[in-house]
Amino acid sequence: NAGVTQTPKFRILKIGQSMTLQCTQDMNHNYMYWYRQDPGMGLKLIYYSVGAGITDKGEVPNGYNVSRSTTEDFPLRLELAAPSQTSVYFCASSSRPGFATNEKLFFGSGTQLSVL
Amino acid sequence: SQKIEQNSEALNIQEGKTATLTCNYTNYSPAYLQWYRQDPGRGPVFLLLIRENEKEKRKERLKVTFDTTLKQSLFHITASQPADSATYLCALDHSGGYQKVTFGTGTKLQVIP
Repeated sequence: NAGVTQTPKFRILKIGQSMTLQCTQDMNHNYMYWYRQDPGMGLKLIYYSVGAGITDKGEVPNGYNVSRSTTEDFPLRLELAAPSQTSVYFCASSSRPGFATNEKLFFGSGTQLSVL
Repeated sequence: SQKIEQNSEALNIQEGKTATLTCNYTNYSPAYLQWYRQDPGRGPVFLLLIRENEKEKRKERLKVTFDTTLKQSLFHITASQPADSATYLCALDHSGGYQKVTFGTGTKLQVIP
């Protein structure tokens, strides 16, 4: 029972490089999310998707792009990496959109990214 | 501005005692609140949800209270064990949908044998 799988686990990038963080879930969830977690800060929503082909910006979308071509996959693209993007990135999914339905978020184990 | 506060200092507690973690919020009117556990190098894991019309929720050794007058949630772990050592996050849903959920910074709990 894999749940939400993120790759890679760790990555070091040079300033200006690009990369894609992979996220896949096997629970057939429509809703998927990308968060970043910085020391001393709460999880911040970068982008989210309510289904294949539908994505929208969260609180901190600048410098990132996403796509959702299938229900299972929700990759996060970093273009022209900057030191401010050094963070831990978490992908999450849920079957319904919020707490009201007694639903919960399922998180991946994270990608630790350093931009030097 | 909207703000969620969890004690940023680690909480150290003796094994067997009750651990109490606090989540305070301002300028929100959340209808729902969740607590998550996060272990080092791992993603958060859901523990409990409580609604604004529920004063208290229990699950095994866990208990959550939600006081909308005080704008505070308390998270209790009774008979704490070293395995309970982790960071605990609260999350508020104030307008529906996970895109409107705000997470606290978390409190690190250390249970000492």
